[in-house]
Amino acid sequence: GENVGLHLPTLSVQEGDNSIINCAYSNSASDYFIWYKQESGKGPQFIIDIRSNMDKRQGQRVTVLLNKTVKHLSLQIAATQPGDSAVYFCAENIWGNTPLVFGKGTRLSVIA
Amino acid sequence: SAVISQKPSRDICQRGTSLTIQCQVDSQVTMMFWYRQQPGQSLTLIATANQGSEATYESGFVIDKFPISRPNLTFSTLTVSNMSPEDSSIYLCSVSGGPGDTQYFGPGTRLTVL
Repeated sequence: GENVGLHLPTLSVQEGDNSIINCAYSNSASDYFIWYKQESGKGPQFIIDIRSNMDKRQGQRVTVLLNKTVKHLSLQIAATQPGDSAVYFCAENIWGNTPLVFGKGTRLSVIA
Repeated sequence: SAVISQKPSRDICQRGTSLTIQCQVDSQVTMMFWYRQQPGQSLTLIATANQGSEATYESGFVIDKFPISRPNLTFSTLTVSNMSPEDSSIYLCSVSGGPGDTQYFGPGTRLTVL
């Protein structure tokens, strides 16, 4: 691979379990947040987004939770599969004022 | 979402040379950006590519080192000039339909400088 996420925090989960990946964002003025998944050798892939007028949004097997009080974002993956193994990044911006600022990232490792 | 391609996908270059990376989108987009991802790190914005005018660079990045072109709404180039081993990174093109729209990323260009 291209050493994506080599030095990033790692979360290891058993296949079939739920995963929770956390992110502390930096700008209290940010009102748009995205989670990206980056597999080895690929660019970041959009997973799910949420605007600040919501505190929860659900997709297929994924849920994003937003706590503006403590500037915290989380991504929950239900029934984690080996194909979910990747590096996950949160990103933020002020809606109407791109571009995105990225968080540090977390490597998710799924144990079969 | 837009389909984004980058050329080359990877390259190995000698110190002191320059490399131009191309980004092509299959539809017109309002915003185009260039990011750098150093080994084991997150993404850092280099600049916003503006059509018909000079790119807008982030702190720590300058036009002489990273000249950018954007001749139309579907194409942009990033040049990494006078390369050193510290420039070894993944360079990523990203596009957006406009303020408030999601950003999508190309596959990246993996650059190694010897």
